[in-house]
Amino acid sequence: EAQVTQNPRYLITVTGKKLTVTCSQNMNHEYMSWYRQDPGLGLRQIYYSMNVEVTDKGDVPEGYKVSRKEKRNFPLILESPSPNQTSLYFCASSRGINSPLHFGNGTRLTVT
Amino acid sequence: GENVEQHPSTLSVQEGDSAVIKCTYSDSASNYFPWYKQELGKRPQLIIDIRSNVGEKKDQRIAVTLNKTAKHFSLHITETQPEDSAVYFCAASNTGFQKLVFGTGTRLLVSP
Repeated sequence: EAQVTQNPRYLITVTGKKLTVTCSQNMNHEYMSWYRQDPGLGLRQIYYSMNVEVTDKGDVPEGYKVSRKEKRNFPLILESPSPNQTSLYFCASSRGINSPLHFGNGTRLTVT
Repeated sequence: GENVEQHPSTLSVQEGDSAVIKCTYSDSASNYFPWYKQELGKRPQLIIDIRSNVGEKKDQRIAVTLNKTAKHFSLHITETQPEDSAVYFCAASNTGFQKLVFGTGTRLLVSP
């Protein structure tokens, strides 16, 4: 089954404790992206990747890191999480920027 | 960069009525306009998309129209049903800019 898999689904952590949210797709998609969803603000792009070893900042990249060492994986790293990073996070992939996005099931992160 | 505005933020209709959600974009080079539906607690999923060389596209009860001159596009849902209740996001992208920008979403409530 074609899918984007995110883990974990729920995560509660404390300020400053490094964490990684994993994202993997099995559709051989070149384009992958991370979004955060907050009430009233819609989906805001954090980082995206057009291909292996190619990443770029989205609209809200501060406090986040990503890597694209393999085509299928695109982990999101929070080196020192802060409470303002409490949000619902979605990973997504597609064949290209002008192709339909396939979203993962989301990760609800709470930073206390 | 691209900016996408979406209206209304909430829309309540009676079952069987039509619903229209409108989006405007700022970058005249944008050429791909998808619409995503997000049910409560679920991930966004593509319901319809349109490219800049087409003015209208239909899929059963759903249609999207694009006015490139005015830089706006709209989602039309006819004969609404309670299962159409969800948050709908519009988005715009262009190949050169390599960015997909989302609107802030419209919460549609269809009452029986």
